[in-house]
Amino acid sequence: SQKIEQNSEALNIQEGKTATLTCNYTNYSPAYLQWYRQDPGRGPVFLLLIRENEKEKRKERLKVTFDTTLKQSLFHITASQPADSATYLCALDINAGGTSYGKLTFGQGTILTVHP
Amino acid sequence: DVKVTQSSRYLVKRTGEKVFLECVQDMDHENMFWYRQDPGLGLRLIYFSYDVKMKEKGDIPEGYSVSREKKERFSLILESASTNQTSMYLCASSFWQGYTLQYFGPGTRLTVT
Repeated sequence: SQKIEQNSEALNIQEGKTATLTCNYTNYSPAYLQWYRQDPGRGPVFLLLIRENEKEKRKERLKVTFDTTLKQSLFHITASQPADSATYLCALDINAGGTSYGKLTFGQGTILTVHP
Repeated sequence: DVKVTQSSRYLVKRTGEKVFLECVQDMDHENMFWYRQDPGLGLRLIYFSYDVKMKEKGDIPEGYSVSREKKERFSLILESASTNQTSMYLCASSFWQGYTLQYFGPGTRLTVT
């Protein structure tokens, strides 16, 4: 069956360092992959989308890579700040182009804590 | 900006009560979703709807039903609430734009006692 794994449940880093979160998937070839941020007690918010033909995407201090051979995406936050502390979720549309009705499959999330 | 609203942020109900959670989106999206989120288990899809009056079961539909009478509104119903349905419930909407993004509401923290 399809599986998405974010292999750290929690990640603690010092302010100013780069946070790197990992998302691995098995058994399918998604056309794109997304990352969401979720603050405590709130709904997830979309951050970045990367397509299968893109190796890397950047947005301000955020960088996402997508390796379709390794079936892995890495999410980096450079010069991290305490305000970056949140849960980060990766998500795949496992039926992109088909009748997925917009369904996404989410990883279980990584809780990032940036210490001052 | 897309706005997805949920009827309550916090709700406390008793075992056996019928519970209604309402979700409204203002962007004319075709697709709407209900998830529950529990620590260590991530987001789990309960039901989704791809059009008015159309619904499909997600991964954990047992104990729940849904209603979509109008395009902007998607309701989740707990027919007889149980303590194991204590959870954070999240509603989302989406539309196809060459890819799909989901827009989430703020969530409802439901406690069943």
